[in-house]
Amino acid sequence: GDSVTQMEGPVTLSEEAFLTINCTYTATGYPSLFWYVQYPGEGLQLLLKATKADDKGSNKGFEATYRKETTSFHLEKGSVQVSDSAVYFCALSANYKLTFGKGTLLTVNP
Amino acid sequence: KAGVTQTPRYLIKTRGQQVTLSCSPISGHRSVSWYQQTPGQGLQFLFEYFSETQRNKGNFPGRFSGRQFSNSRSEMNVSTLELGDSALYLCASSTGQDQETQYFGPGTRLLVL
Repeated sequence: GDSVTQMEGPVTLSEEAFLTINCTYTATGYPSLFWYVQYPGEGLQLLLKATKADDKGSNKGFEATYRKETTSFHLEKGSVQVSDSAVYFCALSANYKLTFGKGTLLTVNP
Repeated sequence: KAGVTQTPRYLIKTRGQQVTLSCSPISGHRSVSWYQQTPGQGLQFLFEYFSETQRNKGNFPGRFSGRQFSNSRSEMNVSTLELGDSALYLCASSTGQDQETQYFGPGTRLLVL
């Protein structure tokens, strides 16, 4: 079946540092790929998405590129802020359901 | 436009009881999905409904059931609660096309004692 593997962390960075969270997937078809973010005590918020190979999703300074050849969708941000501290989930969508990675806890210190 | 709403936000039940959780999707959305989030298992798909029909179901025992009404609102029911059912239950809505973005509610936190 479909699966998503992402680095679990936790990841601790200083403000303005560069962020990468790795995500790879296994799927039988051609899924759409997502990054969601979860702040404490809240549900999931869509961060960005990509629907086909070589698409780049971007939002709030975060970027991820759909790489079919390496089955990857790594999340990057050039300069993180304290307000980016949260749990980040990589997910793929197929057959009307989302399959999630385990989540990566990011803490950004001032 | 109002987001996905879930009620109640918090619940405490005892083993053996049953519970019903409710979800109202974003206006115009006809698909509702349910997910269970636990520290050990992470986010797991329960089921998805579109126009009152279940189109997909996750790998959960039959104690977990759901339904969708003609106004797209959805409920999920868990019977004979077990301690391991303690979790955050998240509802998400979408337009209903496959692979479309799903928008999540704040969740219902269930504690089973």
